[in-house]
Amino acid sequence: AQSVTQPDIHITVSEGASLELRCNYSYGATPYLFWYVQSPGQGLQLLLKYFSGDTLVQGIKGFEAEFKRSQSSFNLRKPSVHWSDAAEYFCAVGIYGNKLVFGAGTILRVKS
Amino acid sequence: GAVVSQHPSRVICKSGTSVKIECRSLDFQATTMFWYRQFPKKSLMLMATSNEGSKATYEQGVEKDKFLINHASLTLSTLTVTSAHPEDSSFYICSASSSASGRNEQFFGPGTRLTVL
Repeated sequence: AQSVTQPDIHITVSEGASLELRCNYSYGATPYLFWYVQSPGQGLQLLLKYFSGDTLVQGIKGFEAEFKRSQSSFNLRKPSVHWSDAAEYFCAVGIYGNKLVFGAGTILRVKS
Repeated sequence: GAVVSQHPSRVICKSGTSVKIECRSLDFQATTMFWYRQFPKKSLMLMATSNEGSKATYEQGVEKDKFLINHASLTLSTLTVTSAHPEDSSFYICSASSSASGRNEQFFGPGTRLTVL
């Protein structure tokens, strides 16, 4: 069955430090992969997506993610975190019927 | 582009009443809309998929008679929670996709917080 694992429930980083949020997926076919961000009480905003081609994808707000097929991973990175990045981040894989399967989310806290 | 709105953003209702939540795609035609439910500190759970002009497809375990979904036009889908009870209190999020976007790309609304007293 399709699944997405985000092993870190919470991550705390200092402002200005680098960030990596982990995501592993399980899907039999070539995956379409997404990262979304959600602020409290808000909907989801798309950060970036991978469909095919270059395995390093750039997104909004300075985020990037790298697709590694051998590791079934799609980790999200940012070189320097800003306090406004504090939010919850969801990784998702696209499956049949245009559906998305989401990971459990990682809450990012930024300390000054 | 690709803006999705939801109305209302918050609603409080009494147990036993019905509540309707609207999801609109403002600047594109949404051939498919999705309804999710999100419990506190949890991920999104897909409730149902609706295609314009046809009946919604519900995920396993979701009561279709309790959560009525209508997708009457390419820009509007509604979710009606019938005979709501406190356990229906949750954050409901819709998303929309078009045949043009494809590849599972969905655009999300801001969500509706439902509280049933």
